[in-house]
Amino acid sequence: GAVVSQHPSRVICKSGTSVKIECRSLDFQATTMFWYRQFPKQSLMLMATSNEGSKATYEQGVEKDKFLINHASLTLSTLTVTSAHPEDSSFYICSAGDRTPERWFFGPGTRLTVL
Amino acid sequence: KQEVTQIPAALSVPEGENLVLNCSFTDSAIYNLQWFRQDPGKGLTSLLLIQSSQREQTSGRLNASLDKSSGRSTLYIAASQPGDSATYLCAAQGAGTALIFGKGTTLSVSS
Repeated sequence: GAVVSQHPSRVICKSGTSVKIECRSLDFQATTMFWYRQFPKQSLMLMATSNEGSKATYEQGVEKDKFLINHASLTLSTLTVTSAHPEDSSFYICSAGDRTPERWFFGPGTRLTVL
Repeated sequence: KQEVTQIPAALSVPEGENLVLNCSFTDSAIYNLQWFRQDPGKGLTSLLLIQSSQREQTSGRLNASLDKSSGRSTLYIAASQPGDSATYLCAAQGAGTALIFGKGTTLSVSS
């Protein structure tokens, strides 16, 4: 199956700093990528839909100025958590789409810890 | 808006037992339904994907069924093993849209 990578796999930062997470489709072009976050013992919650070359679409309750998404190429989307706070500590997972057949593949996730 | 519910939230069984995990979804206009496994602190492992036109899929000791009309899917695990202990997530996908996940069933298989 198709491979999606994320970098970094784990990051610890101080409160107030910004953190960038990369999501790459390694062997296919992904016009669409999705970003999810997962709090401990909770399920994956969709944060936003990222379309190459256009603005991301955010789910209700997700601050677009705090979670900046850039999908500048068909193989890369980035999520930047700006001015991170401890409540932003979570597991962030991306998925990328191979539309033939239509199926979404998931990255391994990035664990963010904000001190 | 699609909502996915999984029952039970947690399940403990002795090794060798057959078990069924349940998933229900509110919008039957799905494109496909997937079952995933997630180990603690890890990412997702796709187990089975059922297209909307299919009724079931099988892989080894796993069998997943789909009943679109009733908005239900089940994951059947035969002859459970301690290595099956994990959280199992069900996710429904509409055409061209993201997967919507249930909260999962945490399975513990004791030896």
